[in-house]
Amino acid sequence: DIQMTQSPPSLSASLGDRVAITCRASQSPSTYVNWYQHKPGKAPRLLIYATGNLQSGVPSRFSGSRSGPDFTLTISSLQPEDFATYYCQQTYRTPWTFGQGTKVDIK
Amino acid sequence: QVQLQESGPELVKPSETLSLTCSVSGGSISSSSYYWGWIRQPPGKGLEWVGDIHYSGTTYYNPSLNSRVTISIDTSRNHFSLSLTSVSAADTAVYYCARRLVGYDYWGQGTLVTVSS
Repeated sequence: DIQMTQSPPSLSASLGDRVAITCRASQSPSTYVNWYQHKPGKAPRLLIYATGNLQSGVPSRFSGSRSGPDFTLTISSLQPEDFATYYCQQTYRTPWTFGQGTKVDIK
Repeated sequence: QVQLQESGPELVKPSETLSLTCSVSGGSISSSSYYWGWIRQPPGKGLEWVGDIHYSGTTYYNPSLNSRVTISIDTSRNHFSLSLTSVSAADTAVYYCARRLVGYDYWGQGTLVTVSS
């Protein structure tokens, strides 16, 4: 299985902050890494697919990138509605696997 | 706008079979572009992929479920279903159905299934 090691597990940030969340893959998932936002009691929301493609309807402050084995989700300016848990996921080789999640809360 | 809705029992006894259905509206489940999947989240834990199905009948399952899982599809009713046998408390989770192209772009609201006697 491809393990997705996500960091940090949690972070506290202020409105307007730039936030970065990283996933390291145990084997290359090619470019098939996706990012989701998940709020309590709601369905996860796809933000980024295939490393750096912004899902339709998602604000442009969200972006995805890759450097070697590390995949990064960046929020350029944190907004009130961005406080949530974020997950990476690889869909390169089954079983598809998720990172452990990063909870973003208010400092 | 595609919508997905899970349905099924909220309480299942240990050793019995968990059965859920996902009804799809606003789009055809027979589209060749998409897979239809199940993802679950145990209380206080992260997301776990259960399996996917294509309208052609091709399936992919998470081997961690030890062959207990079956996903089927009914194109005439535009829905797909999950069956998980021999359940235990470890199978207690919110179960989501979702549509996948690359990532899962449309999701159901999720349904909490509790395994308890």
